[in-house]
Amino acid sequence: QKEVEQNSGPLSVPEGAIASLNCTYSDRVSQSFFWYRQYSGKSPELIMSIYSNGDKEDGRFTAQLNKASQYVSLLIRDSQPSDSATYLCAVTGGGNKLTFGTGTQLKVEL
Amino acid sequence: NAGVMQNPRHLVRRRGQEARLRCSPMKGHSHVYWYRQLPEEGLKFMVYLQKENIIDESGMPKERFSAEFPKEGPSILRIQQVVRGDSAAYFCASDTGTGPGAFFGQGTRLTVV
Repeated sequence: QKEVEQNSGPLSVPEGAIASLNCTYSDRVSQSFFWYRQYSGKSPELIMSIYSNGDKEDGRFTAQLNKASQYVSLLIRDSQPSDSATYLCAVTGGGNKLTFGTGTQLKVEL
Repeated sequence: NAGVMQNPRHLVRRRGQEARLRCSPMKGHSHVYWYRQLPEEGLKFMVYLQKENIIDESGMPKERFSAEFPKEGPSILRIQQVVRGDSAAYFCASDTGTGPGAFFGQGTRLTVV
């Protein structure tokens, strides 16, 4: 079983719609959760972090964490073509190293 | 530029040569991490360092790979006797050790020919 699982996609949404990206993790001691955006050929860019159960909003982005279900999600409202990228879910356990999922490719279509 | 700086951006090496990848952390950051991204695969942790100290090298291959973060200067990831399977993007990230998450450099794309 992979430690961090994501659907590879591609997930296609029309411009202006809500994109919903999901991630599950296997290690119950995971403490911190992150979403990174990676454009093709570029480096990962941190867009959201969440540490406690519930929702965290930042602009058009909302991260949701449910530790009981070992589930993290990222909602992108009013999706734009510039949001088209691969979104990486990452978790940390007792240390600081990040364990990444393989990413979900998002395509926002005009 | 206060970001994480990596160089070179692109590196071509012949099989059997050595590759040296350098990383300067973001200002104020004392923790450095190296990750490798193989084509069509996710980012994999390699090693975590603080100044003059390797904290976690559980992701480092046992042979040919080494890393250091000296008191002065950048962190270095060294790959000896490179093979074609080492071709990948190598990313360095840094943070303060207390969150909110690591910030990545632009990466070094290593190609072994």
